[in-house]
Amino acid sequence: DADVTQTPRNRITKTGKRIMLECSQTKGHDRMYWYRQDPGLGLQLIYYSFDVKDINKGEISDGYSVSRQAQAKFSLSLESAIPNQTALYFCATSDRSGSYNEQFFGPGTRLTVL
Amino acid sequence: RKEVEQDPGPFNVPEGATVAFNCTYSNSASQSFFWYRQDCRKEPKLLMSVYSSGNEDGRFTAQLNRASQYISLLIRDSKLSDSATYLCVVTAGGKLIFGQGTELSVKP
Repeated sequence: DADVTQTPRNRITKTGKRIMLECSQTKGHDRMYWYRQDPGLGLQLIYYSFDVKDINKGEISDGYSVSRQAQAKFSLSLESAIPNQTALYFCATSDRSGSYNEQFFGPGTRLTVL
Repeated sequence: RKEVEQDPGPFNVPEGATVAFNCTYSNSASQSFFWYRQDCRKEPKLLMSVYSSGNEDGRFTAQLNRASQYISLLIRDSKLSDSATYLCVVTAGGKLIFGQGTELSVKP
């Protein structure tokens, strides 16, 4: 079984709809992250959480919110989806004590907003 | 200016070729450096860390020049399976900052 899982893997929705992307991990890591990737661009950090009570905005948090329900779960919400939020979304985890901050990524969620 | 800049490519090389990718970063306080590999819109995976003294892992060699804020990746004896996008990554405040990636295509 994968260590970092994301659901759904693909989603097509309409402008204005509320969408939740979920991430679960079995690695026992404290730190979790949400990124989006657009064609030709690197991964951009949306939100990150260093533990259950810690939530931080990344470089592109506008239009998104997150919830860290447990150490193993970190969900990303789009309250009112818009077409320019069409992208590939990745969740990642890291261990605070891990060497060199290696991050482990989930398989991604491909979101299309019509 | 982007915090981490890479030539997007694509680099099209024959099997067996040696290819080098370069990357520059703007934050002089960055402490850790990595190359990640991403296959065809799948999740990125760590290829190797980059150490100040330079380091090698099989056919892959990474170099770091802190003074010039420059990182490189050299791939020797390219294989078809090396075809992927290579992401240059630096740390800042406990977070990873990704370059846009360099696409490599190895042809038979």
